[in-house]
Amino acid sequence: EDQVTQSPEALRLQEGESSSLNCSYTVSGLRGLFWYRQDPGKGPEFLFTLYSAGEEKEKERLKATLTKKESFLHITAPKPEDSATYLCAVQATGNTGKLIFGQGTTLQVKP
Amino acid sequence: EAGVTQFPSHSVIEKGQTVTLRCDPISGHDNLYWYRRVMGKEIKFLLHFVKESKQDESGMPNNRFLAERTGGTYSTLKVQPAELEDSGVYFCASSQVWNTEAFFGQGTRLTVV
Repeated sequence: EDQVTQSPEALRLQEGESSSLNCSYTVSGLRGLFWYRQDPGKGPEFLFTLYSAGEEKEKERLKATLTKKESFLHITAPKPEDSATYLCAVQATGNTGKLIFGQGTTLQVKP
Repeated sequence: EAGVTQFPSHSVIEKGQTVTLRCDPISGHDNLYWYRRVMGKEIKFLLHFVKESKQDESGMPNNRFLAERTGGTYSTLKVQPAELEDSGVYFCASSQVWNTEAFFGQGTRLTVV
């Protein structure tokens, strides 16, 4: 069964303290891995898509990487406005556009 | 450009009643998806429309849920009759191509009492 597991569930950082979020996945075949950010009371906001092992994408303080079994979202020198829940989702081969989500990592960055 | 819009943002109904949720996708997006997040769980897929056709409805929990997409534009998700376990946040998303990023609406929080 296709599955996505994110860790840790929650992460508290001081402003400027870099860290990484993990997304482990088990799928029959990976078509794409997606990272989203979700703020309270809002829908998921698209960040990155990764398609193959070794691929990396960057946006401001965020960098996403992909291996054959997991993806990391690296946050460099975070700011309080980076506080949010970060969601990882995979799209498996053979399926439609269906996304399989992990439970998310809730990040809190304190000033 | 307008994003994905969902109505209502909140709905509180009694068990046994009917509720209809609406989603207006981004203009020009043929692919429309419904997802649901129940408390404490991950977001789960319900179904996928391509234009007005149901491409994948493998995530629909039971026949109390009916989704339609009139003329390939907006979509509705009707729950009839609602049960307590239907409570959660229902998200709609749309994408231009089925295997690219999907853009989500703000969600409809449904509470069945």
